[in-house]
Amino acid sequence: DVKVTQSSRYLVKRTGEKVFLECVQDMDHENMFWYRQDPGLGLRLIYFSYDVKMKEKGDIPEGYSVSREKKERFSLILESASTNQTSMYLCASSPSAGVYGYGYTFGSGTRLTVV
Amino acid sequence: QKEVEQNSGPLSVPEGAIASLNCTYSDRGSQSFFWYRQYSGKSPELIMFIYSNGDKEDGRFTAQLNKASQYVSLLIRDSQPSDSATYLCAVTRAGGTSYGKLTFGQGTILTVHP
Repeated sequence: DVKVTQSSRYLVKRTGEKVFLECVQDMDHENMFWYRQDPGLGLRLIYFSYDVKMKEKGDIPEGYSVSREKKERFSLILESASTNQTSMYLCASSPSAGVYGYGYTFGSGTRLTVV
Repeated sequence: QKEVEQNSGPLSVPEGAIASLNCTYSDRGSQSFFWYRQYSGKSPELIMFIYSNGDKEDGRFTAQLNKASQYVSLLIRDSQPSDSATYLCAVTRAGGTSYGKLTFGQGTILTVHP
């Protein structure tokens, strides 16, 4: 089974801190994604990457950046954490999309609280 | 109009009944359709996917797709309390520059009561 591992299940950070969320997948998937999930707002795409060192903005990239130096690892960076970034962060991966595409495999999520 | 809309719920059904979850999408270029189940506090897990018009069955789950009507549904037969969760519909264009990116609906909360 594909495993997508997020480094932390729960994190508490202070306003203004630089925060790193790490995600590692072990099935050689080309595509990796970062979402945040908030009640009433659903899953919102922050950034995604389709190859090493390649990244694309999603729907809500402001206040975030990403890094993909190795195929298996996709990091989300909160440059200066703010309270409105308190959320559940979900990483996902998928193989390179064929004719019909593939679903994602999600990591277990990181619940980030910014105080 | 939202790109992917699901029946708002919450949906409550008795144990043993059929639960029907519905989803419409706006992008006619969508080719692949997925249903995820998400338990409270957990991450989504893939339970069904469908590419072709018609029905696809897997155990107690049946996915139905009608591309002309831009409609996809999930039926859960013999519903169990363990099916109580949020169900997310997701669609993708697939191929090309889509990079397999999924667009999700807001989810429907299903409660199966004994």
